[in-house]
Amino acid sequence: ETGVTQSPTHLIKTRGQQVTLRCSSQSGHNTVSWYQQALGQGPQFIFQYYREEENGRGNFPPRFSGLQFPNYSSELNVNALELDDSALYLCASSLDPGSTAFFGQGTRLTVV
Amino acid sequence: GIQVEQSPPDLILQEGANSTLRCNFSDSVNNLQWFHQNPWGQLINLFYIPSGTKQNGRLSATTVATERYSLLYISSSQTTDSGVYFCAVVPQGGSEKLVFGKGTKLTVNP
Repeated sequence: ETGVTQSPTHLIKTRGQQVTLRCSSQSGHNTVSWYQQALGQGPQFIFQYYREEENGRGNFPPRFSGLQFPNYSSELNVNALELDDSALYLCASSLDPGSTAFFGQGTRLTVV
Repeated sequence: GIQVEQSPPDLILQEGANSTLRCNFSDSVNNLQWFHQNPWGQLINLFYIPSGTKQNGRLSATTVATERYSLLYISSSQTTDSGVYFCAVVPQGGSEKLVFGKGTKLTVNP
């Protein structure tokens, strides 16, 4: 049990739709990062938020966007869904940007 | 960018056997973590080990930062050790993102 919770656990969406995934950080953690894991691959960094500001972004298009709230919970929004967006989306929280990351159980998104 | 290579890609063991998983990285790092991903997708922290040696029960890890590799040792393996083991690093001088290897899929048979 990492104290990081994600919702929903599973989701099916249609191509072109928009989706919002949610993450509740471990208590006291001010940094949250999002990762996309395609089947059979390692997780790929999407972006990181530190104290409500974006603190680094991976090689993902602008239709992937995020927010971090004052209580340090976070959202990942994906617009104009494509079939290739089907993946496990993982949220990780940490005390600060450089310290140990603790992952949630993930949201499995299927785009049909 | 930094490259993270894990070996072997697949490993099949009988219960009770020992194993060593390797992680090579191509540049200096600030942070290195080992994770175990269970069949439900959860990434479980095993070690935060940018350098040195740590042990936790049947598992231990060693990182030699100057030679850019880390090893994860599993002794007396159990069927519950099955899953995918990932090494992830935070490169020096970059954003504080974890860069993952492709993982080692471990299967422990009874």
